[in-house]
Amino acid sequence: GQQVMQIPQYQHVQEGEDFTTYCNSSTTLSNIQWYKQRPGGHPVFLIQLVKSGEVKKQKRLTFQFGEAKKNSSLHITATQTTDVGTYFCGSGTGNQFYFGTGTSLTVIP
Amino acid sequence: DGGITQSPKYLFRKEGQNVTLSCEQNLNHDAMYWYRQDPGQGLRLIYYSQIVNDFQKGDIAEGYSVSREKKESFPLTVTSAQKNPTAFYLCASSIRDRGNPEAFFGQGTRLTVV
Repeated sequence: GQQVMQIPQYQHVQEGEDFTTYCNSSTTLSNIQWYKQRPGGHPVFLIQLVKSGEVKKQKRLTFQFGEAKKNSSLHITATQTTDVGTYFCGSGTGNQFYFGTGTSLTVIP
Repeated sequence: DGGITQSPKYLFRKEGQNVTLSCEQNLNHDAMYWYRQDPGQGLRLIYYSQIVNDFQKGDIAEGYSVSREKKESFPLTVTSAQKNPTAFYLCASSIRDRGNPEAFFGQGTRLTVV
C-alpha cells in the first residue's frame, strides 16, 4: 500500500509553545487530509489540501501542502491543553485511504 | 443524527475464538473501511468496500474476514487465524464518487484477547 510517513511520533510541549508535525510520501499525492484523534476517541477530519503549495489556516492551526505534493505539515501556534491528541495525515482517492503513523501531542500546563 | 456506529465498544475474546465487530452507518456512503490501530503504528487498512457485495483486502487482511450484504453494514470478523488480535479497531465510511472524500470514523471497538 501507499507509504505515508509522519514525524515526530511523539511531541511534548509546554503550553504556549508551538508544535509542528510533518508528513512525507514517496509518491505524489492527489490530496492530503489531516485528522485529530483525542485520547480515547476516534479520528475526526480537520481539513483537506489538494493544490500544490496550498496553505490553509484554522485559527491557530496552519496546514501546508508541498510544491511537489509529496509532503505536508501541520503547525500549531501557542499550543493549548485542548490541542492534546494524535494528529494524522492521510490521503484518499475514494477507493482507499492511507494514513500516516500519527504524531501524539502532549501539552504540559 | 447521521453517523457511524460501532459495537461493542469493548470486547474480550478467548484465544481460538472468532469474534465479529459491528459497523453500521446511516450516511448513505458507498465506501466503508476497517482499520486497526496499534500504539506507534498509526492506522493500518484491513479491508475496504466500495459497493454492496464487493470488498477488497487492505495491507493486513490476513486473519480477518468481512461481508457487505447491505450498504449500511460492514461487519468485521476476527478469526482465530489472527495471531495478535488485541488492538483498537476503527470503521470508517466515505462518499465514493467524489474525487477527494473525507473519511468519517466510528467510535471504535477495543478488542482484548484473554
